[in-house]
Amino acid sequence: SQQGEEDPQALSIQEGENATMNCSYKTSINNLQWYRQNSGRGLVHLILIRSNEREKHSGRLRVTLDTSKKSSSLLITASRAADTASYFCATGRSNYQLIWGAGTKLIIKP
Amino acid sequence: DTAVSQTPKYLVTQMGNDKSIKCEQNLGHDTMYWYKQDSKKFLKIMFSYNNKELIINETVPNRFSPKSPDKAHLNLHINSLELGDSAVYFCASSRSGTDPYEQYFGPGTRLTVT
Repeated sequence: SQQGEEDPQALSIQEGENATMNCSYKTSINNLQWYRQNSGRGLVHLILIRSNEREKHSGRLRVTLDTSKKSSSLLITASRAADTASYFCATGRSNYQLIWGAGTKLIIKP
Repeated sequence: DTAVSQTPKYLVTQMGNDKSIKCEQNLGHDTMYWYKQDSKKFLKIMFSYNNKELIINETVPNRFSPKSPDKAHLNLHINSLELGDSAVYFCASSRSGTDPYEQYFGPGTRLTVT
């Protein structure tokens, strides 16, 4: 069953701008993960945030988690053309199963 | 030095045929997964194996049969292929334990059933 919903479904911005994607989910979780998928490729893990964490950073990526609102956001700062991809959030209730949203398609215009 | 590999990358076949997709990981992970990604990019878990044992089977038709000969391999066999089976199939792997871990994905197998 689908757990996460990303918002927006598609986002087009100019290179150098910041991109923000949101993910909402329905049930309790123990972790939330963000992945990137370039066209025609497999998914690549970006960040994992546990349910007792509120914010995490990795390079130009910043992820927040609000368990009271059952939502997360992924911020990519100073976007580059290479950031063009689809971004997925996945929520984990156990350590063996992730439930995925439908993704946000991000296009960075040069 | 590929972490998770799948073969074949593309598979075109006719309805009613039987086909297999192979997956191997060299990361030393205990857990492996099969996912199906449909044309709308929605990713759905099909199976999960931990130490060669099936732990997740998500309402997948029994025409789909996973087989794990060892911890590094998880193959997917599909009988009597149907048009609706057309999709991209991803294999993934992860560590296992009390902490949640990220998953590592293969490049995908694009299956087209005609």
